[in-house]
Amino acid sequence: GAGVSQTPSNKVTEKGKYVELRCDPISGHTALYWYRQSLGQGPEFLIYFQGTGAADDSGLPNDRFFAVRPEGSVSTLKIQRTERGDSAVYLCASSLGGPRGDEQFFGPGTRLTVL
Amino acid sequence: DAKTTQPTSMDCAEGRAANLPCNHSTISGNEYVYWYRQIHSQGPQYIIHGLKNNETNEMASLIITEDRKSSTLILPHATLRDTAVYYCIVRPPNTGNQFYFGTGTSLTVIP
Repeated sequence: GAGVSQTPSNKVTEKGKYVELRCDPISGHTALYWYRQSLGQGPEFLIYFQGTGAADDSGLPNDRFFAVRPEGSVSTLKIQRTERGDSAVYLCASSLGGPRGDEQFFGPGTRLTVL
Repeated sequence: DAKTTQPTSMDCAEGRAANLPCNHSTISGNEYVYWYRQIHSQGPQYIIHGLKNNETNEMASLIITEDRKSSTLILPHATLRDTAVYYCIVRPPNTGNQFYFGTGTSLTVIP
């Protein structure tokens, strides 16, 4: 079956602009996660959805970052007033959910470059 | 914060077993040990996880010490396609379902 997909694969924007990154999880997966990965580092947790609600958004770095999942499937990560430090690969993952933290399936990521 | 310690890099000859160590001396009784790997320019891929018993699947084996303070991921017959960064993750309790990745071990399989 289809895995997690993310669009666009690459996004180049200018400092101060607004960007949206999209994640299509595996069908039937109720849990969805966003991570950010800088060069040479492991993925850094941003936010976790269980269904439509953000169960944990403690990883969002500041109020310029926001994510939604209005119908419990597709999610959009939104970044306002982008800064050069926001440049990274943004990864999305989904899982069946559950208290034990089931296996997370990751998408290929969106590479964001802020000029 | 990552609760694991891994060597920064390792080499392994093709066809030989790759043994990747991980220290997690502060692991709690209800925390699982997970291993993921990330091939260049791809998203992380789940390998295996365990609580206290050794585990084996089609990709690897996970050996957890009796005191659970360390573990070893074993790739029995490494291939060039196993070259990747390997992450050992201990999932902290009461923090939802996110994983805290460290910097992992960069494994290079040499022909």
